[in-house]
Amino acid sequence: GQQLNQSPQSMFIQEGEDVSMNCTSSSIFNTWLWYKQDPGEGPVLLIALYKAGELTSNGRLTAQFGTTRKDSFLNISASIPSDVGIYFCAVRLSGTYKYIFGTGTRLKVLA
Amino acid sequence: NAGVTQTPKFRVLKTGQSMTLLCAQDMNHEYMYWYRQDPGMGLRLIHYSVGEGTTAKGEVPDGYNVSRLKKQNFLLGLESAAPSQTSVYFCASTPPRQGLYEQYFGPGTRLTVT
Repeated sequence: GQQLNQSPQSMFIQEGEDVSMNCTSSSIFNTWLWYKQDPGEGPVLLIALYKAGELTSNGRLTAQFGTTRKDSFLNISASIPSDVGIYFCAVRLSGTYKYIFGTGTRLKVLA
Repeated sequence: NAGVTQTPKFRVLKTGQSMTLLCAQDMNHEYMYWYRQDPGMGLRLIHYSVGEGTTAKGEVPDGYNVSRLKKQNFLLGLESAAPSQTSVYFCASTPPRQGLYEQYFGPGTRLTVT
């Protein structure tokens, strides 16, 4: 089946550092979504991408829709302790109302 | 707006017992979804609905049933719970705006089956 591979699986960073993570697939998708999940909470949408090559920012977060439509990247600048959580990528399966999610990148920020 | 709400927040069941999880949204969203989240596996789609009175199977539908009798509510039922159904269950909804596919999630229900 179709899968999304997220990298890295987890990372420890120092407060103030920039963070990069990515999500790749062997299939082409027309919508890429990035979510953050805090412990004990549901995922919250961070950024939605609808066009290949699109670069979208939301505060300190920047996400890009890869030009091949098979990948997406999320960058967090100047990380702070509240950035701790799990970051998921997700795509909508073309022609359907269904979504699939990556397995997540777990971020831990050291103060 | 309360957004997407889920009840209950926690539940412990014995093997073979049944229960219903309720998801409610007050955003007039057309599409609603049930996912389960297990450690290291992300979210997997159980069932979904594209409108009142309609339901469809997702990736892992076995052992679950759903109903969407009212637009704002989406119920997930376990007829005979099994330990493999121990998980965190999330409901989500999506607005009907053409070309926009953001999903909004509830806070989750943590279910343990012993």
